[in-house]
Order: sequence, then structure tokens, then C-alpha cells
Amino acid sequence: GESVGLHLPTLSVQEGDNSIINCAYSNSASDYFIWYKQESGKGPQFIIDIRSNMDKRQGQRVTVLLNKTVKHLSLQIAATQPGDSAVYFCAENRGGGADGLTFGKGTHLIIQP
Amino acid sequence: NAGVTQTPKFQVLKTGQSMTLQCAQDMNHEYMSWYRQDPGMGLRLIHYSVGAGITDQGEVPNGYNVSRSTTEDFPLRLLSAAPSQTSVYFCASITTGDPGYTFGSGTRLTVV
Repeated sequence: GESVGLHLPTLSVQEGDNSIINCAYSNSASDYFIWYKQESGKGPQFIIDIRSNMDKRQGQRVTVLLNKTVKHLSLQIAATQPGDSAVYFCAENRGGGADGLTFGKGTHLIIQP
Repeated sequence: NAGVTQTPKFQVLKTGQSMTLQCAQDMNHEYMSWYRQDPGMGLRLIHYSVGAGITDQGEVPNGYNVSRSTTEDFPLRLLSAAPSQTSVYFCASITTGDPGYTFGSGTRLTVV
């Protein structure tokens, strides 16, 4: 079965609003999570990561929250812009960073003008 | 610094044909991996390598072979193409301390 997954296949938000994309994982031993952005016709692009010893991590306009109790993480994008339109994936390291990633299905973020 | 380069970008194969998808990185990354992405799905790991001469299977390895003779190159071979292998293939690399894998732009493969 799939180790990580996302709750919604599509999320539509107004330009300027904040976006929240959710992800659930099933492996309680997972210790490293990454969010990727994939634009149409391109490979995934790293956004932000978080380790299991953290609850929150902030980047530029993005914040990742990790709730280990319910095995849930979220990606918050502040002041969503048209350039944020893409598919967002959460991924977890299979082991030690060298053994590849396990991806969820993805959420397509649509920005309404 | 070209990053991760995949060739070709597009390929059409007939069932039963074989081919090699090329992946090269110029960042001296020791870890490399191959994924396939089917419509509406996340990426699934095919094979990975932790260094030259070392490869291992991922989640969906059947029908694919890999080798890693140099740090830079990690080709993926389809032995006998099947329609179920129609997909977009991504190669990625990372080095110790990097926050996330760097992905190539993908190869779109159609098997008819």
C-alpha cells in the first residue's frame, strides 16, 4: 500500500488567499518529509522539508506543519500567486535519504483570478 | 551546471522492443534514482543507486534494469517494452546534506 497520500486531488483558491494542502502518512517510523511542486511538463521541484523532530518549518511564503500524533503534514502557501498553480506532492524518505522517495498522489492547486 | 539531464524527451516504442533511457548528472551526486509517473498519480520508485557499482530495486522494478558504472550516469533499460510501461520517467539525484532530490525534466514514453 501507499505510505503517503493527500486528502484532496484538486484545491481551488483565490489569488492572494492562503492555500493549505494536506497529506497523511501511514508509517509512524518515517522521519523525513518533503514537499515538491510539479508544473505541467516538468519534473518535481523541491519546496521545503521537515524532519520528524520538528513540528513546523518556514520558508519563503511557505510553511510546513507536522503532526506526528495523527501522522499528518500540511503545506501552507501565503498570498497565493498565479505562479503557484501546480501539482503539489508530499514525499517521505524511504530510508536515510539514499534509498529514494515514496510519493503521495498529489494535489492540483488551481488559482482563481 | 546542467543538473540532471534526461534523454530522450519523448519516445514511442512497439511492444517487445527494448530501449535505454539516459540520465546524467554533473553535480557529483552519489545517490541516484528512477521513478515513473502515471496519469493522476504520484511518482513510484523503480530502481535506485547509492554509488557507482551499487544498485537496488524500488517499488516497481519488474521489466526494468539499471547499472551504475560511473557516478555521473544511471541508465534505465526496458528489456521488452509493454503497454503497461507507458508513462513519464524521471531521474533524480542527491548528495549527503542536500535537502531534496534534484529531478530531471522527464522522458515521456509511449508503448504501442
